[in-house]
Amino acid sequence: EDQVTQSPEALRLQEGESSSLNCSYTVSGLRGLFWYRQDPGKGPEFLFTLYSAGEEKEKERLKATLTKKESFLHITAPKPEDSATYLCAVQAPDSWGKLQFGAGTQVVVTP
Amino acid sequence: GAGVSQTPSNKVTEKGKYVELRCDPISGHTALYWYRQSLGQGPEFLIYFQGTGAADDSGLPNDRFFAVRPEGSVSTLKIQRTERGDSAVYLCASSQTVGTDTQYFGPGTRLTVL
Repeated sequence: EDQVTQSPEALRLQEGESSSLNCSYTVSGLRGLFWYRQDPGKGPEFLFTLYSAGEEKEKERLKATLTKKESFLHITAPKPEDSATYLCAVQAPDSWGKLQFGAGTQVVVTP
Repeated sequence: GAGVSQTPSNKVTEKGKYVELRCDPISGHTALYWYRQSLGQGPEFLIYFQGTGAADDSGLPNDRFFAVRPEGSVSTLKIQRTERGDSAVYLCASSQTVGTDTQYFGPGTRLTVL
């Protein structure tokens, strides 16, 4: 069965302390990999889609990268407002529309 | 513009009762998805619609769960004979088309079965 594993489960950072989150997957022939941010009590908010190994995308302090087996979400000089749970999801080649999510990484950034 | 909306935001019911959860997708989005999220977990796929038809219902846990989208816009997730294990946040998402189009999520409905 295809799996999506995120690590670490939780991450506590000082403001300005850069770090990376990992999302590893076992899907062959990945159709797309998606990163979402989720605040408590809210639905996931779309961040990025990556389609092929070597692809990178950036948005403010966030940068997502993709290899054949994993994706990284780099947070550069985080601020307290970057505190959230970050979810990755994959779409397998035989699963039109269906996203398979990891359990998420809960990030807390303290001032 | 308006995002995906879901009603109610919270629903408390008793074991064995019937519930309906509603989703209003982004205007013009042809694909609509339902997911379920338990505490500390990522969303789990339930079903998706392309237009009025259910294109993939492989995630529905059993025949107590049913979803409709009669006019290709609003969708209703229906749960019969609710069980305590059905307690979760039910998320709806929509996308312009099916495939790798971005799925935009609503705020969810928190269902609690006592």
